Amino acid sequence: DQQVKQNSPSLSVQEGRISILNCDYTNSMFDYFLWYKKYPAEGPTFLISISSIKDKNEDGRFTVFLNKSAKHLSLHIVPSQPGDSAVYFCAASSSNFGNEKLTFGTGTRLTIIP
Amino acid sequence: KAGVTQTPRYLIKTRGQQVTLSCSPISGHRSVSWYQQTPGQGLQFLFEYFSETQRNKGNFPGRFSGRQFSNSRSEMNVSTLELGDSALYLCASSLGTGGDNEQFFGPGTRLTVL
Repeated sequence: DQQVKQNSPSLSVQEGRISILNCDYTNSMFDYFLWYKKYPAEGPTFLISISSIKDKNEDGRFTVFLNKSAKHLSLHIVPSQPGDSAVYFCAASSSNFGNEKLTFGTGTRLTIIP
Repeated sequence: KAGVTQTPRYLIKTRGQQVTLSCSPISGHRSVSWYQQTPGQGLQFLFEYFSETQRNKGNFPGRFSGRQFSNSRSEMNVSTLELGDSALYLCASSLGTGGDNEQFFGPGTRLTVL
């Protein structure tokens, strides 16, 4: 049972345009969400996070939006750059789980077209 | 500050064999978590160790085990290997436990079971 879903395995976006990556979750206990970026042959690196008390968090070109009622979050990258080409993983956790670690989605491969 | 290191980077084994993977966390980090990454399942949590104690375990069979040493280094062992165990095994370290502790990932060990 996939509790965190990224339904688009891949996405191609023109350089300079906005990239929007989506993530849905089913467990209403999740209250903390993160996005990780992964290049080939490297481990994932943390990108941005959001707590359930917020609906938006911004860091430079990256903005994460959270819609709790829809159990949906999205990552916006604007403007998109060639270096943004990577696999993006959405992850979720819950403070109610104690020390439970992150539940990840299956990833979306983003390709930025120059 | 050195990042998370994992050895070996690549490993080829045959069915029925066992394997031990090693992870050295970032200096000062006491929590080490292990994840399995496969194309269809994304990143799945295996287990977490904190101060030499297993704090959490994911939904994997008993063939998957681990341990943590007093210097926070961790090893993961898989016995009686199956073809389906072929995956990228990622280790992540963090200062403390809890899903909101930022995890730093190593580059992974690519295990191929023939």
